[in-house]
Amino acid sequence: NAGVMQNPRHLVRRRGQEARLRCSPMKGHSHVYWYRQLPEEGLKFMVYLQKENIIDESGMPKERFSAEFPKEGPSILRIQQVVRGDSAAYFCASSTAGATDTQYFGPGTRLTVL
Amino acid sequence: GENVEQHPSTLSVQEGDSAVIKCTYSDSASNYFPWYKQELGKRPQLIIDIRSNVGEKKDQRIAVTLNKTAKHFSLHITETQPEDSAVYFCASFTSGTYKYIFGTGTRLKVLA
Repeated sequence: NAGVMQNPRHLVRRRGQEARLRCSPMKGHSHVYWYRQLPEEGLKFMVYLQKENIIDESGMPKERFSAEFPKEGPSILRIQQVVRGDSAAYFCASSTAGATDTQYFGPGTRLTVL
Repeated sequence: GENVEQHPSTLSVQEGDSAVIKCTYSDSASNYFPWYKQELGKRPQLIIDIRSNVGEKKDQRIAVTLNKTAKHFSLHITETQPEDSAVYFCASFTSGTYKYIFGTGTRLKVLA
């Protein structure tokens, strides 16, 4: 039973390029959450998605950032025109559709913007 | 907006002593409270959780208590070991919104 998968694990981009982060939830999980973590800091909620729907994107910057969770395939967090301040670890987590079901985290993608 | 306050931000204890981390939440509708342990460079991992219909839960050296009236919940680690050293995050979850709100983390150091 594979856990939450994320790829790539490490991503290096130059300023102005696009970063595309992928998250495959655990089998049977239909809820995906994305978080950003700066070094030595906590987990900052970005967006919550269900299949084909963005439920809550209140934590995501209005510009340059977008997320999707298509009917088939992984969830994608896309950052356009990256800047140095986007350098961080990006974690996704998944859970089932239950009212209090536990959220399990992927290994994270460490984005470095040069 | 809703938030979770976590204290202390850092905690050093001698090996074998107990450690207590406390969180306070603001959303009275929150009904699920997980605790995560994050080692350096790794993912947060669930170590224990408690639901709002329970006041206390224990798993070997780890226990969590919940006071719904005061909106407090705490993590207790007994007989600490060096491998307990990590950052611990509390979180609150509210069904209906499916929203998790995380505390700011506690860096625990267990001194050998």
